[in-house]
Amino acid sequence: SAVISQKPSRDICQRGTSLTIQCQVDSQVTMMFWYRQQPGQSLTLIATANQGSEATYESGFVIDKFPISRPNLTFSTLTVSNMSPEDSSIYLCSIFGQYMNTEAFFGQGTRLTVV
Amino acid sequence: AQSVAQPEDQVNVAEGNPLTVKCTYSVSGNPYLFWYVQYPNRGLQFLLKYITGDNLVKGSYGFEAEFNKSQTSFHLKKPSALVSDSALYFCAVRDGGSTLGRLYFGRGTQLTVWP
Repeated sequence: SAVISQKPSRDICQRGTSLTIQCQVDSQVTMMFWYRQQPGQSLTLIATANQGSEATYESGFVIDKFPISRPNLTFSTLTVSNMSPEDSSIYLCSIFGQYMNTEAFFGQGTRLTVV
Repeated sequence: AQSVAQPEDQVNVAEGNPLTVKCTYSVSGNPYLFWYVQYPNRGLQFLLKYITGDNLVKGSYGFEAEFNKSQTSFHLKKPSALVSDSALYFCAVRDGGSTLGRLYFGRGTQLTVWP
């Protein structure tokens, strides 16, 4: 199984500011995924980040609000920009194992509270 | 379109009794099915998966799930529940024929096992 380190684990931020979440994996992976879990809700995919290309965003998510970097095959960042209380959620990064038929692995998540 | 339904927001069982957490799915290709568990302030932990083969799959912590193609279901079961099983459970599906790799999650079922 992969080891995924996600930082910070939690943060409380002022509205209008930005927070960058980091995700470090102990092995090289082609795709990394960023999910949002709003309070009491399921996980919603924000975007898929491939190394060497721009991230692919899901409907309802835009690059200006959630810019993503993928500088190499083991690291990615997600920034939540110009935050509002509605952005209060748990944000998780995820990867698949070596083969496409393996399960996904998740970071511990970043619990963001916007005040 | 891919989707997952978990019809019960909450399941309550007494310790020692069998438990079932229900999941039905819709996928355009071959279903890859997964169960994850989330404890408070933790990321998602993988429990078990169905890719191919036997319809009954066994996973971590004594959990098992049965794939039923005709009913498009993948219910999670455990013969004897423990108080420590109390957590939030997510069912997820992938289209096995897709290289995109994204997961579609149900809304989650909160399992409470009382002593």
